[in-house]
Amino acid sequence: QSALTQPASVSGSPGQSLNISCTGTKADVGRYQYISWYQQEPGKAPKLLIYDVSNRPSGVSARFSASKSGSTASLTISGLQAEDEADYYCSSYSSGPSLVIFGGGTKLTV
Amino acid sequence: QVQLVQSGAEVKRPGASVKVSCTASGYSFSAYYIHWVRQAPGQGLEWLGRINPSTGGTNYAQRFQDRVTLTRDMSTKTAYMELVSLASDDTAVYFCAKEGPGVVVSSDSWGQGTRVTVSS
Repeated sequence: QSALTQPASVSGSPGQSLNISCTGTKADVGRYQYISWYQQEPGKAPKLLIYDVSNRPSGVSARFSASKSGSTASLTISGLQAEDEADYYCSSYSSGPSLVIFGGGTKLTV
Repeated sequence: QVQLVQSGAEVKRPGASVKVSCTASGYSFSAYYIHWVRQAPGQGLEWLGRINPSTGGTNYAQRFQDRVTLTRDMSTKTAYMELVSLASDDTAVYFCAKEGPGVVVSSDSWGQGTRVTVSS
């Protein structure tokens, strides 16, 4: 079972908006509304940004939003800030061999 | 506040096994699954499995099915991950995480990670 597909890296300037895509299949992203996004800074545990496709946990900035279309999920970060520089991972519930699968991760450079 | 505290770093020989603990506090331990995720150096996140602390029921990633065992001790609110037949590519940081909010794939609280190094 392959990981979900994310771009290896993205970059943007402060104040800009950008999207990070997460492409799966009909067995995972395309089938379920159970998709999460995480932010991970070097040497730290992942931090939950989005759950169930587009819901933000309390305390997460409204600059982070997400959606899904077909088998591709997307994370949008608006008003980029230097502190957003980190790795970002998507994850999805799956009907395959692993109940949970992750994307390969995207390194964001601001 | 919710806290997951993991055991310390381990160095193991190839072929050995390792058991990592994750002690929960600040919430009802029995009410939420505990997931285990690992991250090899410079690599992405990889899901190993999850345990229902209330029932002891488990789900494992197929590729680890034969090598990983998840258990829990309700009296100490501690979850355990044991990985056997270690190889060099098992060198990674192992995280435990509390499930929720949302279903299965969301974890809002994570342990600090336990570094496991497999080397001869």
